[in-house]
Amino acid sequence: DAKTTQPPSMDCAEGRAANLPCNHSTISGNEYVYWYRQIHSQGPQYIIHGLKNNETNEMASLIITEDRKSSTLILPHATLRDTAVYYCIVRSTGANSKLTFGKGITLSVRP
Amino acid sequence: KAGVTQTPRYLIKTRGQQVTLSCSPISGHRSVSWYQQTPGQGLQFLFEYFSETQRNKGNFPGRFSGRQFSNSRSEMNVSTLELGDSALYLCASSLRTSGGETQYFGPGTRLLVL
Repeated sequence: DAKTTQPPSMDCAEGRAANLPCNHSTISGNEYVYWYRQIHSQGPQYIIHGLKNNETNEMASLIITEDRKSSTLILPHATLRDTAVYYCIVRSTGANSKLTFGKGITLSVRP
Repeated sequence: KAGVTQTPRYLIKTRGQQVTLSCSPISGHRSVSWYQQTPGQGLQFLFEYFSETQRNKGNFPGRFSGRQFSNSRSEMNVSTLELGDSALYLCASSLRTSGGETQYFGPGTRLLVL
């Protein structure tokens, strides 16, 4: 599975959009981009995933560049409860693929 | 739908003992994966089971083992516990669809080895 690169931390103001970047320059054609987040000491929470097209759900939007080498997770209106570690992961569709977690990015939402 | 459940939530053991952790997947999910999370190593993949067969394995010693039952429930076992096995053990279940395979995690079992 390809690796991802994320900055270690970022912050944003409550109510503003949080844009979390991720680089995955070695992504293969059959690999999806997944985003999870983990609030302290809880299990990771699935947020969103995509292959080529931009995706949106009730939690966030995922913007994938045309060359698929990077993506951005957008939390449109960040709240204090969005403070967490966010993991960007690429994973193939093969049966033997697995989620490989990096260090993630720590998002701090300030009041 | 009920989420992934893990029991027990907290456990204290001493070195040399063994421990069994349990995971009940989301109804209909046939794949169960296990992860270990420590402050130093982060989230690391242990193994994955699908239809009672181990499908994938991480880089952990043989003291770590698992199994899956016909109802998709899974257990993992750690024998001869070491202090370094203190960690949060996470279970995730997944269902393969045309849109990929998304894993959903349980709350974890926090194991402390004294």
